[in-house]
Amino acid sequence: DAGVTQSPTHLIKTRGQQVTLRCSPKSGHDTVSWYQQALGQGPQFIFQYYEEEERQRGNFPDRFSGHQFPNYSSELNVNALLLGDSALYLCASSFQTPGVSREQFFGPGTRLTVL
Amino acid sequence: QKEVEQNSGPLSVPEGAIASLNCTYSDRGSQSFFWYRQYSGKSPELIMSIYSNGDKEDGRFTAQLNKASQYVSLLIRDSQPSDSATYLCAVNGLYNNDMRFGAGTRLTVKP
Repeated sequence: DAGVTQSPTHLIKTRGQQVTLRCSPKSGHDTVSWYQQALGQGPQFIFQYYEEEERQRGNFPDRFSGHQFPNYSSELNVNALLLGDSALYLCASSFQTPGVSREQFFGPGTRLTVL
Repeated sequence: QKEVEQNSGPLSVPEGAIASLNCTYSDRGSQSFFWYRQYSGKSPELIMSIYSNGDKEDGRFTAQLNKASQYVSLLIRDSQPSDSATYLCAVNGLYNNDMRFGAGTRLTVKP
């Protein structure tokens, strides 16, 4: 049973560039959430996708956008990169059950460095 | 705005001791509570979930929830050096779409 996978593992970009990160959820899961984790901090919620739509968004600018595909995989796009965007980007998957807040399982993350 | 706070670390305990990790949250509407373990350079790994007041035990781990006090804790019995990691408390609402994390407590178990 494959867990959550993310690609790439590491990425180095320069300020102003754009980046796309990818995530495949755990088998049987239909919901993908994205988080940003700065060094020494807890993960910060970016947004969540379910049924190919953004269900909820955290306090992140519009430079951060996403997409979910029919196979439940997801992409996170960040435009006009800033130095402060350097972080570990985590994808978490879960199974949506009405009225129940299910556990989320994380992928290995993508380490983004902006120079 | 949901806020999650964890007891400041780092926390150091000897091997075999009980490690106690604490977390408070501000949103009374929170419905689900999770503890994640994160080794240095790795992603968070779910170790416990708790939804109802009281205790939930899983092996050496016990999660405790008190919704009236807006408090959740994690006890690790017979601590092992392999338990050395950062422990993250996470809180979510009913619809699982806006999970908030604390900053984490770094635990070191000394042989």
